[in-house]
Amino acid sequence: AQSVTQLDSQVPVFEEAPVELRCNYSSSVSVYLFWYVQYPNQGLQLLLKYLSGSTLVKGINGFEAEFNKSQTSFHLRKPSVHISDTAEYFCAVRRTNAGGTSYGKLTFGQGTILTVHP
Amino acid sequence: DAGITQSPRHKVTETGTPVTLRCHQTENHRYMYWYRQDPGHGLRLIHYSYGVKDTDKGEVSDGYSVSRSKTEDFLLTLESATSSQTSVYFCAIWSSGVADTQYFGPGTRLTVL
Repeated sequence: AQSVTQLDSQVPVFEEAPVELRCNYSSSVSVYLFWYVQYPNQGLQLLLKYLSGSTLVKGINGFEAEFNKSQTSFHLRKPSVHISDTAEYFCAVRRTNAGGTSYGKLTFGQGTILTVHP
Repeated sequence: DAGITQSPRHKVTETGTPVTLRCHQTENHRYMYWYRQDPGHGLRLIHYSYGVKDTDKGEVSDGYSVSRSKTEDFLLTLESATSSQTSVYFCAIWSSGVADTQYFGPGTRLTVL
C-alpha cells in the first residue's frame, strides 16, 4: 500500500514570492508521482507528473517538482506566484506497472491550500 | 477535460433515500473511478472499474455500490444515504496510453440532510 503526506495544510504567500508545497510518500514498491490543482468550485487538473527520466519535472503555469527517491519526496515549487495560483494542490502516487497492474489507482495526500495575497 | 460529464452537479436529499450519480465519458476509456473529496482527507477512492461489468472496491466503499453496463457510463449508488455521505464526488478516467494520467470530471456536490 502507498500513503502520501502533504506537510502543510495551508500556505499563505504574497504575490511574486517563491513557494514550495511539500509532499512525502511511503511505498513498498516503486511509484509514479503526480501533482493536481483544484481551483475553487472546479475539478482537478493535472499540473505535472513524474513517470521516469529526469527527476526535475516541469509542468503548466510555471510550476516544477523534483523527485527525490532517497527522501521519498516530490515537492512542488514556483519561483514567483500570482494571485491566480490561489487554489488547492494535491500530491498523488500510483504504483508503477512493474510486477502487475495498478489499475491506474491513485492515492492522494490531504491537500494544501495555497493562498496568494496581493 | 477528456470528455467526462457528471450528473447531477448538485443534489440535496434526505437521510435514508437512495441516490444515483452518473458519470459519462465519450472517449472509450477502459478504466473509470469514483472518489469522494472531504476537507482534510483529500480524495479517497470509493470504487473503480476496469471494464464493462468489472468493478472493485476502493478504500471507502461501505454504503456505496457501482454498476457499469456499458463503457461510457459508470454509476455510483448510495442505497440509503446518510449524513456522513455528504461530500463532493468526482469521477475520473485513466488514459493509460502515452498520457498515462487520470483525468477528472467536474464533480457532484451531494448534501444529505
